Amino acid sequence: SAVISQKPSRDICQRGTSLTIQCQVDSQVTMMFWYRQQPGQSLTLIATANQGSEATYESGFVIDKFPISRPNLTFSTLTVSNMSPEDSSIYLCSVPLAGGRGQETQYFGPGTRLLVL
Amino acid sequence: DQQVKQNSPSLSVQEGRISILNCDYTNSMFDYFLWYKKYPAEGPTFLISISSIKDKNEDGRFTVFLNKSAKHLSLHIVPSQPGDSAVYFCAASVGEGTYKYIFGTGTRLKVLA
Repeated sequence: SAVISQKPSRDICQRGTSLTIQCQVDSQVTMMFWYRQQPGQSLTLIATANQGSEATYESGFVIDKFPISRPNLTFSTLTVSNMSPEDSSIYLCSVPLAGGRGQETQYFGPGTRLLVL
Repeated sequence: DQQVKQNSPSLSVQEGRISILNCDYTNSMFDYFLWYKKYPAEGPTFLISISSIKDKNEDGRFTVFLNKSAKHLSLHIVPSQPGDSAVYFCAASVGEGTYKYIFGTGTRLKVLA
């Protein structure tokens, strides 16, 4: 397994401001993923962050709104820019991992709970 | 368009009985499926997965069944324990190694002591 920490664990922000979420992994990984879970919704992949290259964004997500940094193989940040109440969500980072018996999976951090007023 | 659907938002089961959680998908290209469990204030934790070349995979108390013709998978937990009370998500992807998981909206399981 991997140990993943996220900071902050939760925050309350005013609309129009930006928040940067940090994700730290205890081992070197090539790919890191950022997800969003809006209230009552499923987890949705925002982007894939690879070290040394631009993040790859999924449909509906853009770099101007969710800039991502990946300075090394154990760390990434996601910024939620110019926030509105619709950005109120849980934001999670994850890394690819082999589960039991070699099953492919992702290992998730604890999440950052964001409320935008 | 929700490609992965969990139509039961909640389920209650008596301790010791079987819990059956269901998941339907619409994209016939999906060939790898996973189940995760999520406790409040924690990230999802991996339970079990299944490739489309199989129709069943077991790991301890957890068994996943895949019916490709019906585009349906289910997670069986036997026997259910109070510690199993959590939200369960199914997820699907096209090809192993892509890590492009599409998640369902989750089913909240409550195991009653």
